[in-house]
Amino acid sequence: AQSVTQLDSQVPVFEEAPVELRCNYSSSVSVYLFWYVQYPNQGLQLLLKYLSGSTLVKGINGFEAEFNKSQTSFHLRKPSVHISDTAEYFCAVSPSYNTDKLIFGTGTRLQVFP
Amino acid sequence: GAGVSQTPSNKVTEKGKYVELRCDPISGHTALYWYRQSLGQGPEFLIYFQGTGAADDSGLPNDRFFAVRPEGSVSTLKIQRTERGDSAVYLCASSPQGDRGYGYTFGSGTRLTVV
Repeated sequence: AQSVTQLDSQVPVFEEAPVELRCNYSSSVSVYLFWYVQYPNQGLQLLLKYLSGSTLVKGINGFEAEFNKSQTSFHLRKPSVHISDTAEYFCAVSPSYNTDKLIFGTGTRLQVFP
Repeated sequence: GAGVSQTPSNKVTEKGKYVELRCDPISGHTALYWYRQSLGQGPEFLIYFQGTGAADDSGLPNDRFFAVRPEGSVSTLKIQRTERGDSAVYLCASSPQGDRGYGYTFGSGTRLTVV
């Protein structure tokens, strides 16, 4: 079975500062990894995904994430955040042989202050 | 349609009542998923359809929950004898030919409140 841990429930940051949202997973098989963003009163939107290949994945809105197999991590980063990045961010995992269900973390609320 | 549509956006019902939640996926997407998101939690898998059939319903919490997709497009999640613990946002997502790493497209959800 797979599981996802997002240790930070909230991350406050000032505008234009860098940010890292942490995600660790556990799995006995190879996995696919995803980051989704949820803006207030909206559905989840895919930010980026790691399937295979380069461990550094670039997504939308200037976000990127790095897959670290030895540390079983997939941390999300952005070098300079905007007010509009304020949202809930969810890390998710699925086994690579069966992506029919995603296992989500509990989410990290990113709050960007002016 | 352009996105995944869920109706109603909000539903308030009394404990013990029956409710139906509707999901209209992106046209041509054969895979459809239902997730439930409780307050302060990430989405939890309920059921996955490939075409008309439920390929995996292992996430349905009990037999009060049932979902159908009779024509391989629109899906309805049905909850009988609702309980206060069923209060959550119910999310629907669709994907072409099963996810296989494409990433789902989620709808905005139906917020169910059982009073």
